[in-house]
Amino acid sequence: GQNIDQPTEMTATEGAIVQINCTYQTSGFNGLFWYQQHAGEAPTFLSYNVLDGLEEKGRFSSFLSRSKGYSYLLLKELQMKDSASYLCAVMDSNYQLIWGAGTKLIIKP
Amino acid sequence: IAGITQAPTSQILAAGRRMTLRCTQDMRHNAMYWYRQDLGLGLRLIHYSNTAGTTGKGEVPDGYSVSRANTDDFPLTLASAVPSQTSVYFCASSDTSGGVTDTQYFGPGTRLTVL
Repeated sequence: GQNIDQPTEMTATEGAIVQINCTYQTSGFNGLFWYQQHAGEAPTFLSYNVLDGLEEKGRFSSFLSRSKGYSYLLLKELQMKDSASYLCAVMDSNYQLIWGAGTKLIIKP
Repeated sequence: IAGITQAPTSQILAAGRRMTLRCTQDMRHNAMYWYRQDLGLGLRLIHYSNTAGTTGKGEVPDGYSVSRANTDDFPLTLASAVPSQTSVYFCASSDTSGGVTDTQYFGPGTRLTVL
């Protein structure tokens, strides 16, 4: 079966750096997405990786290793507004997104 | 530009009742999707539509039906609601007309409670 694994919850301090990992096993691979979801709101797009390596977007970076079935989302200079759930999703061979359960990130002052 | 709108925002429904969740997008995206999100689980695809006039089944289609009469609208119908359909429902859309993987954009969601 298809599976996306990510930690259920993480805690970090304002101003620090946090890395959220995602491992996947899917039938085919057509890219990996990271979304941010604040409580009670819709998921919003953060990043997309289809080739190995690091993609940087301001304070957020995303890394992909296809051979290891592994990605991480790196958040720098954490702010209180970064408190949210972070969803990892892989597009499979049918171009359907398979979603992880999400990582709830708690930022403490 | 509104993006994607969903209605209602929330609803409490008696078991056995019929309910239609509405979804409208103004981005002219060809593809649309319905997901449900339950605590501790990832988003699960219910139904999708790659273009107006076509629909397909996702991971959890039982008890749900959809139609895609035009590009903008993609309603989801629960013919006879059951308590296990209590969930938050998200509609999403994407532009896949270029034949490449593209980002899905989500509506604000409908919180449905079936009693």
